[in-house]
This record gives sequence, structure tokens and C-alpha cells, in this order.
Amino acid sequence: KAGVTQTPRYLIKTRGQQVTLSCSPISGHRSVSWYQQTPGQGLQFLFEYFSETQRNKGNFPGRFSGRQFSNSRSEMNVSTLELGDSALYLCASSTDRGHSPLHFGNGTRLTVT
Amino acid sequence: AQKVTQAQTEISVVEKEDVTLDCVYETRDTTYYLFWYKQPPSGELVFLIRRNSFDEQNEISGRYSWNFQKSTSSFNFTITASQVVDSAVYFCALSEEGGGGSNYKLTFGKGTLLTVNP
Repeated sequence: KAGVTQTPRYLIKTRGQQVTLSCSPISGHRSVSWYQQTPGQGLQFLFEYFSETQRNKGNFPGRFSGRQFSNSRSEMNVSTLELGDSALYLCASSTDRGHSPLHFGNGTRLTVT
Repeated sequence: AQKVTQAQTEISVVEKEDVTLDCVYETRDTTYYLFWYKQPPSGELVFLIRRNSFDEQNEISGRYSWNFQKSTSSFNFTITASQVVDSAVYFCALSEEGGGGSNYKLTFGKGTLLTVNP
């Protein structure tokens, strides 16, 4: 079974631009969540989607948004990029049954210059 | 508010030594789940174990063992006879009950960088 796939692996963007990251969950997984990882703040929850609906959102500004498609694939978007948005963005999928473990992808490394 | 503390930022051991990674958590929930994940240099978080708040039985899986103690709010992880391949960042995490009983939102500790030297 293929794991969680995130594209692209690396991105370099300029301040003020916007970026879209993509995540394909494990087949059959309907819950997709996103996390931001930085050296200073560690791993922080961004949001989670299930059946195309956002169920919960972390404490991030509205510049961070996401969506989920009918095939469970998910995208997250960051608009008006700031230097502080440089991070590893991790996507995870889950069967959403009984606190089943999250399965993470390799992440997208975003660098904002 | 939920919180996970991994006081050990970095640990360095020599191969074949035993090493214990500490994890202390805070939660007001009576039902919660604890996890350990491993993050090798490739970046992917690899699931190691899940434990619910009602199951305090310790668990052993090969060279890995976990000690869950509700009385001290700790969920420590021991690697016996460490190997170079164990070098990674290890994260302890706590899940909220959330709506619908899913564990989509994990609160992570800051992680412990384990380096096993040959």
C-alpha cells in the first residue's frame, strides 16, 4: 500500500507570494491533517479535513487555508508569504476510527526569501 | 490546555547502550491517547506506539519498551542495546478526544534528538 505522498518536496518562494502544497493520503483514509514544523515552535497542528469538510483548525492566521477533494486528496494554501512561514509542512492521513495512528508523509520543505 | 514536555533536547550514547527518553504530559481529559513517533533525517514521522489512558500496561516490542504511569503523567520510551539506525528525533504526542472521537489533532513535545555513535 502506498504511503502518504506530498508534493513538491521542496519549494522556494518570495515574500508576498502564495503557495499551494498537495497531499495524497493512503488509500482508504478519509481524514487528512496538516502540521507545520519549525525549529522554534516544533510541530503545530494546522487543520484537519474529513469528507471534504474542515473539522478543526489550529491557531494560525487566515492566510493558511486548505481543502479536501472527493477522493480525499488535500491541498493547503498559504497566501502573502512571510519569512516566518519557512518550515516543513507535514501531511498525515488516518482511517479516523478509534484514534487510529496518523500516517505522515515526507513533508514539503518551504523556504521563503 | 494540553501540554507535552520532553525535557531531554539531545541525548548521545554509544552503540549497545540502553537509553530512556522521557515524556511528561498534562491534560484535563480523562480519556486521552499517547503516542511516540520517530523522525529520521528523511523527515517522515514514523508511528511507533499508541497507548490509551485506560491501559497502563507496559509494552515491549523488540528492543523498544514503553512505561506508562498515570500517577506521574509520564510515558517514557526505552531503547535497549541501541543501534546507529536508532539515531533520529523522537516525539511524544498527546491526542485530544475531539469531536467524533478522532485523534486528528496531536499535541507534540519538542522532541529528543538521539544520536547513537558506533
